Amino acid sequence: DGGITQSPKYLFRKEGQNVTLSCEQNLNHDAMYWYRQDPGQGLRLIYYSQIVNDFQKGDIAEGYSVSREKKESFPLTVTSAQKNPTAFYLCASGTGGASGANVLTFGAGSRLTVL
Amino acid sequence: QQQVKQSPQSLIVQKGGISIINCAYENTAFDYFPWYQQFPGKGPALLIAIRPDVSEKKEGRFTISFNKSAKQFSLHIMDSQPGDSATYFCAASIWFKAAGNKLTFGGGTRVLVKP
Repeated sequence: DGGITQSPKYLFRKEGQNVTLSCEQNLNHDAMYWYRQDPGQGLRLIYYSQIVNDFQKGDIAEGYSVSREKKESFPLTVTSAQKNPTAFYLCASGTGGASGANVLTFGAGSRLTVL
Repeated sequence: QQQVKQSPQSLIVQKGGISIINCAYENTAFDYFPWYQQFPGKGPALLIAIRPDVSEKKEGRFTISFNKSAKQFSLHIMDSQPGDSATYFCAASIWFKAAGNKLTFGGGTRVLVKP
């Protein structure tokens, strides 16, 4: 089955540690996205990538980093510089065409808790 | 800066009733307006979408109404069922030639349908 796999589903981190969330897709989509979800604030865009080896900052990129070395993979690193990292993180992919042609498919999410 | 404002944050409706969720946007460059449905612990999934040159779109019990001059759009869920209980997000998309699609979400509405 085609889809997006995020891992781990749950992650606990001590303050000051960097953590990396994995996102893999087998949908052959060009575009990939990372969103952060907090209660009452909807989904906020962290980073997005239209093609391999290129990515753009979203609305809340500070304290996060990404890479796009392969079309299928878009890992997100939450660095120690992110002041409030506890959240639900969602990865998505899309065909990357013009708006209207780019329906996003989301993964099941990774819940990060900082102890 | 939240570019898409969604209301209400939550609503309770009786089975068979109508659920109405409203969204307003600021940026007239948005060119695609999808709605996503999210169940607890899952990623959002596309429900229905509309382009700004269309005033209404209906798919089954779900209808989007779009008012371009007012920069507002809404989701109507007719004959609401307990299985519709979920969080609903409106969104707005812009396509950048170099950077790709950027999808901005509203804050979400938690809908509870009582039997």
